[in-house]
Formats: sequence, structure tokens, C-alpha cells
Amino acid sequence: DGGITQSPKYLFRKEGQNVTLSCEQNLNHDAMYWYRQDPGQGLRLIYYSQIVNDFQKGDIAEGYSVSREKKESFPLTVTSAQKNPTAFYLCASSISGPYSNQPQHFGDGTRLSIL
Amino acid sequence: EDQVTQSPEALRLQEGESSSLNCSYTVSGLRGLFWYRQDPGKGPEFLFTLYSAGEEKEKERLKATLTKKESFLHITAPKPEDSATYLCAGSGSARQLTFGSGTQLTVLP
Repeated sequence: DGGITQSPKYLFRKEGQNVTLSCEQNLNHDAMYWYRQDPGQGLRLIYYSQIVNDFQKGDIAEGYSVSREKKESFPLTVTSAQKNPTAFYLCASSISGPYSNQPQHFGDGTRLSIL
Repeated sequence: EDQVTQSPEALRLQEGESSSLNCSYTVSGLRGLFWYRQDPGKGPEFLFTLYSAGEEKEKERLKATLTKKESFLHITAPKPEDSATYLCAGSGSARQLTFGSGTQLTVLP
């Protein structure tokens, strides 16, 4: 079955530590996205990528980094510079980039907490 | 700045009691209005895309409609399994989706 796989489901970060969240898709979609979801707020865009080796900052990119070395994979690193990382992180993909009117499809998320 | 506002924040219905969820939007150059369903601890599941005012889409007990300022998600004779958070999002010339904060629907048996 085609879909988006995020791992791990739960992740704990110590102070001063960088952690990486995995996102893999087998939908052959060109565009991939990372969102952060906090209680009572809408999803907020962290980064997006329209093609391999290219990515753009979203509204809340500070303290995060990404890479897009393969079409299928778009890992997100939460760095120690992100002072409030506790949230539910969602990865999404779409056939074409954010200029299009194609829907985004989501993985089942990673919940990140601080130890 | 694009904005999407959903109301009510929470809605409790008895099984079989029909109702509507509202999504008001201010999205420059709207290309699409999307509805998603999200279960606790899961990612949003795509339901519908609406492209222009007057358009309607249906899926089982759900029907989505679009005007120039609002979208409605009508739920007819809901069942407990329809309980979820419903998210609305608009895509426009700003190059990204703008999401509302969702309506948490609870359907009681």
C-alpha cells in the first residue's frame, strides 16, 4: 500500500540534544512538507521541498533543519536551538508543490517530548 | 495574511442528529479549500477538495460546500464512528496551506 511512514512514533529529547525525525513516502510525490501541531492551534509549516536537493523555509523554521537527498525521504532535525520542541510533528506529501491545488497526504506523526 | 477560522471549536451530537461545521476563510487567490479528518494520535486524513464557489462534494454522511467566504461540512445522521477533529485548510497565492484550528466532533450513542 502506498503511503507516508513516520518514525519513531514517540521521541524524547534531552537538553542540548539534536534529534532527527524520519519521513518516507512511496507515493512518488514530488513535494514533501513538515508541520508542527500544538493543542488548539492550526498546523504550522516548518519546511517544504518541491524537488530533490531543494527546500524552502516555512513560517516557523528557526531551530529546525531538513535535507532532501532522495525523492522518497525528507528527514527533519530538531536542533538544540529550538527552545520549545514539545509538539506533534506531521510529515506530508503532494503530487506537486504548494502552488498547486492538489491535496497533501499525511503520515501518522511523531510526538516529541522533552526529558 | 491568509486566515482560516473554524467554528465551533467543539460540537457534541446525539447519534442521528444532523449538523454543520463552519470554515470561514480569507485566502488570497484561493486555489483549493481542503477538508481533513483527524483521529487522536493520527495524521489528518484527506476528505475533500473544493475549487470554486457553488461546488459541493459528498462522501457517505458528509457533504462539503463552498461559498466565496465560507465552507460548510454537513454531517447527516452521524454515527459514533464519525467522532474526530475536522480540519479545514485553504491554498492560495501564498504558496502554502493555511489551516484552521479544527472542530472536535463527538457523536454520542
